[in-house]
Amino acid sequence: DARVTQTPRHKVTEMGQEVTMRCQPILGHNTVFWYRQTMMQGLELLAYFRNRAPLDDSGMPKDRFSAEMPDATLATLKIQPSEPRDSAVYFCASGSGRINEKLFFGSGTQLSVL
Amino acid sequence: GQQVMQIPQYQHVQEGEDFTTYCNSSTTLSNIQWYKQRPGGHPVFLIQLVKSGEVKKQKRLTFQFGEAKKNSSLHITATQTTDVGTYFCAGLGYSGGGADGLTFGKGTHLIIQP
Repeated sequence: DARVTQTPRHKVTEMGQEVTMRCQPILGHNTVFWYRQTMMQGLELLAYFRNRAPLDDSGMPKDRFSAEMPDATLATLKIQPSEPRDSAVYFCASGSGRINEKLFFGSGTQLSVL
Repeated sequence: GQQVMQIPQYQHVQEGEDFTTYCNSSTTLSNIQWYKQRPGGHPVFLIQLVKSGEVKKQKRLTFQFGEAKKNSSLHITATQTTDVGTYFCAGLGYSGGGADGLTFGKGTHLIIQP
């Protein structure tokens, strides 16, 4: 069963530390999305890539967040320095890139910044 | 920008009762998708509606897309404990055909009392 793989599943860190989250999209998918989920804001789009090119990262705090796709099988989301308000679940999702594509979500990274 | 409102935020029902969640967009949509997230899980694609007035059924779930393509609903008949979770709608605007235009509602949390 093809699925999106995210690591780590859980991360507890102290304020000021760097956090790196990784995502392996479904093989053959050429769109990758990063979402942040909190109780207050719901699912927020942070960034997305098409064919490894970043197309929109307007939802991401640029001063501390960065998203990259070093190759077609790996997407990363980094937070440096992390802050307590970054505590949330971060989901990666991938899609086929076709019109009206549906998204396949990974299991998420539960981030707690103390 | 496009906004997608979803109501209610929470719904408590007795097992066996029906459940409905409603989704309204500030703009006309190209299509609408529905996702389900189990507690502690990740969003999973349920269905996509594209045509004005479209109605689709999946066993006890009935999905509708409004005539004006600005609203949608999900109705569950005779809820079961396996239906517990959060139901999200996600609307795709006309700015693009891919999922980059998807705007998620904040979801309806369905709580079922046995």
